[in-house]
Amino acid sequence: KAGVTQTPRYLIKTRGQQVTLSCSPISGHRSVSWYQQTPGQGLQFLFEYFSETQRNKGNFPGRFSGRQFSNSRSEMNVSTLELGDSALYLCASSLNAPNYGYTFGSGTRLTVV
Amino acid sequence: KNEVEQSPQNLTAQEGEFITINCSYSVGISALHWLQQHPGGGIVSLFMLSSGKKKHGRLIATINIQEKHSSLHITASHPRDSAVYICAVLRDNYGQNFVFGPGTRLSVLP
Repeated sequence: KAGVTQTPRYLIKTRGQQVTLSCSPISGHRSVSWYQQTPGQGLQFLFEYFSETQRNKGNFPGRFSGRQFSNSRSEMNVSTLELGDSALYLCASSLNAPNYGYTFGSGTRLTVV
Repeated sequence: KNEVEQSPQNLTAQEGEFITINCSYSVGISALHWLQQHPGGGIVSLFMLSSGKKKHGRLIATINIQEKHSSLHITASHPRDSAVYICAVLRDNYGQNFVFGPGTRLSVLP
């Protein structure tokens, strides 16, 4: 069965621009969560969606937003990009977190110049 | 102080050695996960624990809820085990909100 698919794999953007990342979960998984990984801060939780509703949110500014569609695919958007937003962005899907295991995607590596 | 700590930070072992990575946490949790991240970034979820012990192949994970401590053991280590191992906890009453440890970088030499 197909895994979690994140697109694009790599992205270069300029400061001030906005970016949209996509995550397609495993078929049947209704929970999608997003994470940011940087060398300085490590892995940090961004937000989680379940059945098109944001269920939980980490401690990130409002420039970071997301949504989930009826087919459980999710997008995250970062507006007014800053150099510090350069990171690996990972998503994970689950049948219904937190009681079920997670499957992670390969990530999108965003570079802001 | 970080809510989730891991030790050691870096570990180099010879092929075949028994390896232990430790995780301690300071918050109430509903579950603890061990994750493996290879160069390139992909993460694999190895274990989800809320009590006791789990085993999968050469990997064993244990958790002591009273002591707020978990260990990941690798028996008969192999160079393909070289990766970063990350402990992540789901805090009580916070739904799906992981707090991650800093990771342990393991290198297994042939």
